[in-house]
Amino acid sequence: QVQLVESGGAVVQPGGSLRLSCAASGFTFSNYAMFWVRQAPGKGLEWVAFIRYNGTTKYYADSVKGRFTVSRDNSKNTLYLQMNSLRVEDTAMYYCAKRGEGMDVWGRGTTVAVSS
Amino acid sequence: EIVMTQSPATLSMSPGERATLSCRASQRIASNLAWYHQKPGQAPRLLISGASTRATGIPARFSGSGSGTEFTLTISSLQSEDFAVYYCQQYNSWPLTFGGGTRVEI
Repeated sequence: QVQLVESGGAVVQPGGSLRLSCAASGFTFSNYAMFWVRQAPGKGLEWVAFIRYNGTTKYYADSVKGRFTVSRDNSKNTLYLQMNSLRVEDTAMYYCAKRGEGMDVWGRGTTVAVSS
Repeated sequence: EIVMTQSPATLSMSPGERATLSCRASQRIASNLAWYHQKPGQAPRLLISGASTRATGIPARFSGSGSGTEFTLTISSLQSEDFAVYYCQQYNSWPLTFGGGTRVEI
């Protein structure tokens, strides 16, 4: 069964850092590009980051560029999102998703709240 | 950046009715469009990719059409489990962008 499980969400102060993880199972993780997508409370979906299957290519939304870093460890079947210099507007549910045509498998998400 | 505009924002329907949701791209995106739905408290789920190809396990009552800048998602006969928010998303160019969503409600 194909599954993605996010973890690492927490309440953090503005300016703080957090690392999210996404554990993959049920498919050959190293063959697929992956995404991070977020959703602020009561709002729509916003793409955050992309990483190619082998980690050689990464793209970021302008809203997080220079502050967030996506990475992966194919030996551990895990995707990461390092989030630095967090802002109140980064408060959201963060989802990881597998690339198929579009985003064909999603995790259940992990919540990040940035508040003083 | 390609802006995706969905209409209407809210669609008030009854079970059994046909629902038509629209998505417009600010630039041509060929058929590089996906549709998702999201029920309260759940993650989004892929319905359609390539503008018209149903994802695995998606019932035939869901169909997608369009190319270029104008796209449509049709639900032929609404079931109770279809009442949700629907998003379109283009994957033609970076940054990837989503529409603002259409809420299908009773």
